[in-house]
Amino acid sequence: SQTIHQWPATLVQPVGSPLSLECTVEGTSNPNLYWYRQAAGRGLQLLFYSVGIGQISSEVPQNLSASRPQDRQFILSSKKLLLSDSGFYLCAWSWTVSSYNSPLHFGNGTRLTVT
Amino acid sequence: GQQVMQIPQYQHVQEGEDFTTYCNSSTTLSNIQWYKQRPGGHPVFLIQLVKSGEVKKQKRLTFQFGEAKKNSSLHITATQTTDVGTYFCRTGSSNTGKLIFGQGTTLQVKP
Repeated sequence: SQTIHQWPATLVQPVGSPLSLECTVEGTSNPNLYWYRQAAGRGLQLLFYSVGIGQISSEVPQNLSASRPQDRQFILSSKKLLLSDSGFYLCAWSWTVSSYNSPLHFGNGTRLTVT
Repeated sequence: GQQVMQIPQYQHVQEGEDFTTYCNSSTTLSNIQWYKQRPGGHPVFLIQLVKSGEVKKQKRLTFQFGEAKKNSSLHITATQTTDVGTYFCRTGSSNTGKLIFGQGTTLQVKP
């Protein structure tokens, strides 16, 4: 069966510090990978998605970047965090074939507080 | 751009009452997925609807896709405290195939 691991679970970082969140998927090959952000009490905003190694699509201009160095590894980064980067960051995967029909499977998320 | 309206934003019900959330669009939708996010948790996929007029049931949950494929609903019969959470639809235009999430409906159930 497929599993998705996301860490850390919580993170408190000062403004201006760097960020690196990692997500790995097991039990499947060539998944689509996604990073979402959820502000407190709000909806799910798609930040990045990837259909393969080194292929990243950015949905909104951000202080963030994403990379996919391996097939089942997705990393979210920032060089300098802003207060507005606080939120709940969720990694997700879906099957590649007929991907628009494929449901998303989310990791447990990382709660980031920028102070 | 593509817009998906999910209503209501919040709903407070007494345990045992019914609950419905709606996902509406002005354009024809390709398919629709429903997710549940418990407080403090991550969204979990519930079901997907693809066909016009499709109705699916999961115990006390009934999911419906409109005949014109422009709206969908999630209905919970006789709510329980375990139903508490935020329910999201995820859907998109049949032209673009790109899916986006609705704003979510947060359900509170009073015991």
